[in-house]
Amino acid sequence: EDQVTQSPEALRLQEGESSSLNCSYTVSGLRGLFWYRQDPGKGPEFLFTLYSAGEEKEKERLKATLTKKESFLHITAPKPEDSATYLCAVQAGNTDKLIFGTGTRLQVFP
Amino acid sequence: EAQVTQNPRYLITVTGKKLTVTCSQNMNHEYMSWYRQDPGLGLRQIYYSMNVEVTDKGDVPEGYKVSRKEKRNFPLILESPSPNQTSLYFCASKVTGDYEQYFGPGTRLTVT
Repeated sequence: EDQVTQSPEALRLQEGESSSLNCSYTVSGLRGLFWYRQDPGKGPEFLFTLYSAGEEKEKERLKATLTKKESFLHITAPKPEDSATYLCAVQAGNTDKLIFGTGTRLQVFP
Repeated sequence: EAQVTQNPRYLITVTGKKLTVTCSQNMNHEYMSWYRQDPGLGLRQIYYSMNVEVTDKGDVPEGYKVSRKEKRNFPLILESPSPNQTSLYFCASKVTGDYEQYFGPGTRLTVT
């Protein structure tokens, strides 16, 4: 069964304290791995797509990487405005369906 | 502005009273989908549509109906809502293929 697991469930960081969020997946035929940011009460906002192992994408303080079994979202020198829930999702097989993890809730304190 | 819109944003209703949540996108996307989000369970797909007049069940379709008569609209219908359908609902759309989905702002539904 296709599955996506994110860890940790919650992460508290001091402003400037870099860290990484993990997304591990077991799917048949990965077609894409997606990272989203979700603020409370709002819809997920697209961040990155990764298609193959070894690929990396960057946006401001965020960097996403992909291996054959997992993806990492690295946050460098985070700021309080980076506080949000970060969702990982995979598209696999022969459908356009996304399978989501349950997210990592990040809090960054000044 | 490219966007997915949903209405209403908040809805409180009673068991058994039929309701419709509308979803519209202005990006000419073929693919549209409905999700529900519950604490600890993440986002789960309810129904999706690959194009006009083409719909199919997702992971949790029981108690829901959809239709796709126009490319831009994809309403979610609850014929007889029950309390276990209390949730946060999101509509999403994308270009068919390996591309990102764009989400609406969400509809928070409470069924009493």
